[in-house]
Amino acid sequence: GQQLNQSPQSMFIQEGEDVSMNCTSSSIFNTWLWYKQDPGEGPVLLIALYKAGELTSNGRLTAQFGITRKDSFLNISASIPSDVGIYFCAGANFGNEKLTFGTGTRLTIIP
Amino acid sequence: GAVVSQHPSWVICKSGTSVKIECRSLDFQATTMFWYRQFPKQSLMLMATSNEGSKATYEQGVEKDKFLINHASLTLSTLTVTSAHPEDSSFYICSATWDRVTGELFFGEGSRLTVL
Repeated sequence: GQQLNQSPQSMFIQEGEDVSMNCTSSSIFNTWLWYKQDPGEGPVLLIALYKAGELTSNGRLTAQFGITRKDSFLNISASIPSDVGIYFCAGANFGNEKLTFGTGTRLTIIP
Repeated sequence: GAVVSQHPSWVICKSGTSVKIECRSLDFQATTMFWYRQFPKQSLMLMATSNEGSKATYEQGVEKDKFLINHASLTLSTLTVTSAHPEDSSFYICSATWDRVTGELFFGEGSRLTVL
């Protein structure tokens, strides 16, 4: 099945640093979602974006829906230990509940 | 609390046996549920769409005779991995509903299958 290209694949940062990751697609989506997955658990929604160009924040997280509708990015400011995990982007088209997931970005915080 | 629940969380079985995984919506009715598979260090890949009262829709490359899906009620979908083999070892995750206000698709906790 299709997967969205997500980069970087892995990130090793120090606590307090800002993080940026992005997701690109060869096809258009009218909804972009960002999830975080902790080991052995299902994904948890962080931010949902519904409009091209939209910039949405959720606490220290900010995500943008690319104007072309083929990309999105997620920023995390002032990272903390509980930010560790795998972040997935997902694209969907409203009215169709099927999600296409990105390849994931594994975030590790170095002590 | 969780709105979608999966059972079992962990299962270990011998090669050749069949394993059933349940996905329940706890406080809502779900006419549609989705089954994903996630291999270690990989993303979630949609396997099939489970439709209440009708046949499941499988994604390309997913064997419908091997991964039997039953959605007999509005709160329960089951995935049965038949004649499991070690290569079927994976993390299986279901999801249900699409909250059109918040945009949230609720995921189960996942079921880790290990086939010996």
